[in-house]
Amino acid sequence: KNQVEQSPQSLIILEGKNCTLQCNYTVSPFSNLRWYKQDTGRGPVSLTIMTFSENTKSNGRYTATLDADTKQSSLHITASQLSDSASYICVVSDGNAGNMLTFGGGTRLMVKP
Amino acid sequence: NAGVTQTPKFRVLKTGQSMTLLCAQDMNHEYMYWYRQDPGMGLRLIHYSVGEGTTAKGEVPDGYNVSRLKKQNFLLGLESAAPSQTSVYFCASSYSNPGQDRVATFGSGTRLTVV
Repeated sequence: KNQVEQSPQSLIILEGKNCTLQCNYTVSPFSNLRWYKQDTGRGPVSLTIMTFSENTKSNGRYTATLDADTKQSSLHITASQLSDSASYICVVSDGNAGNMLTFGGGTRLMVKP
Repeated sequence: NAGVTQTPKFRVLKTGQSMTLLCAQDMNHEYMYWYRQDPGMGLRLIHYSVGEGTTAKGEVPDGYNVSRLKKQNFLLGLESAAPSQTSVYFCASSYSNPGQDRVATFGSGTRLTVV
């Protein structure tokens, strides 16, 4: 069964600090991995998407890495802002015809002033 | 504004009642999906559609039905609501081309409570 595990479940950091969120997956065959940001009461919004051949991808202060050999990904947030407070969800797409998505449970990040 | 619109945003049902959630997208996406999100769990796929007139079961389809009569609309029905269906429901849509560009766009969710 395809699974996506994220850690930590929740995280509190001070404004201006950096943090790294982890994602491990057992989806096979692998197609791509995406990180979404979900603000409270809103739908998820895509931050980055990476395929098998990509090791890193940045979107402003967000940098995602992918190690397809160990089936791990991380999302690094630099110089955190209060607006970064949200849930961050790792989503892996399988390479079958349906290209279905498996969602992780998310990491709830709170940035405090 | 382009995007995915869900209605209603909130609803309270009594056990045994029925209702329909509406999802509309104006991006000409072929694929549409319905997910539920429960506390501490990832989004789980209920049903999905790869095109007008087609539907398929996802991971947790029991107790739900769907219809895709028009390309831009995807309806989720609860025939006889149960407390276990209390959840936040998200609709999403995407292009059908395989590969890395098929990013799903999500609606803002429908919070459903069954008492």
